[in-house]
Amino acid sequence: DQQVKQNSPSLSVQEGRISILNCDYTNSMFDYFLWYKKYPAEGPTFLISISSIKDKNEDGRFTVFLNKSAKHLSLHIVPSQPGDSAVYFCAASNSGYALNFGKGTSLLVTP
Amino acid sequence: DAGVIQSPRHEVTEMGQEVTLRCKPISGHDYLFWYRQTMMRGLELLIYFNNNVPIDDSGMPEDRFSAKMPNASFSTLKIQPSEPRDSAVYFCASSTQQGYEQYFGPGTRLTVT
Repeated sequence: DQQVKQNSPSLSVQEGRISILNCDYTNSMFDYFLWYKKYPAEGPTFLISISSIKDKNEDGRFTVFLNKSAKHLSLHIVPSQPGDSAVYFCAASNSGYALNFGKGTSLLVTP
Repeated sequence: DAGVIQSPRHEVTEMGQEVTLRCKPISGHDYLFWYRQTMMRGLELLIYFNNNVPIDDSGMPEDRFSAKMPNASFSTLKIQPSEPRDSAVYFCASSTQQGYEQYFGPGTRLTVT
């Protein structure tokens, strides 16, 4: 059973605009959340994370928002660049257990 | 550091053959994870090790799958006998803390015909 869900398989955004990728989870015990980025023929690479004690974490153009009551998190990329085109995976952890991944959202940033 | 190293990068084999995938984690990382990625199921955890000891293998799909970690710098995932439904990309990852940031290898694309 998928405990982490990314309901949008794909997203297309114009360069310079904001990209918003969404993720929902079902397990209320999850306390740490991560976003990974994956290019074709490469492994996923860590992008940004957030602990459940926070509701926002920012790193340059990337910001992750966490809404615990809604069991929802989102990744904002501002401004979007063509090099951001990749598959983005949301992942969640429960106090030291292994990561649970969503199926990914393919982001295409067009010039 | 060279990052997580996996070999081979591509493997094509016939049904019934034994397949062995290899992984070298980042030096100093005491957790090692094996994942499988398919279109249907996404990225799913197969097994993970802590200090070379298997901790959770509940994701291993069948007895045909086995994994070992004989030392801190090497792990193998073996499928015997292989079946076409095992075709997927297999990733190895390592980390210093369970459940937190993990570093992935480039993956092995396995095709079983």
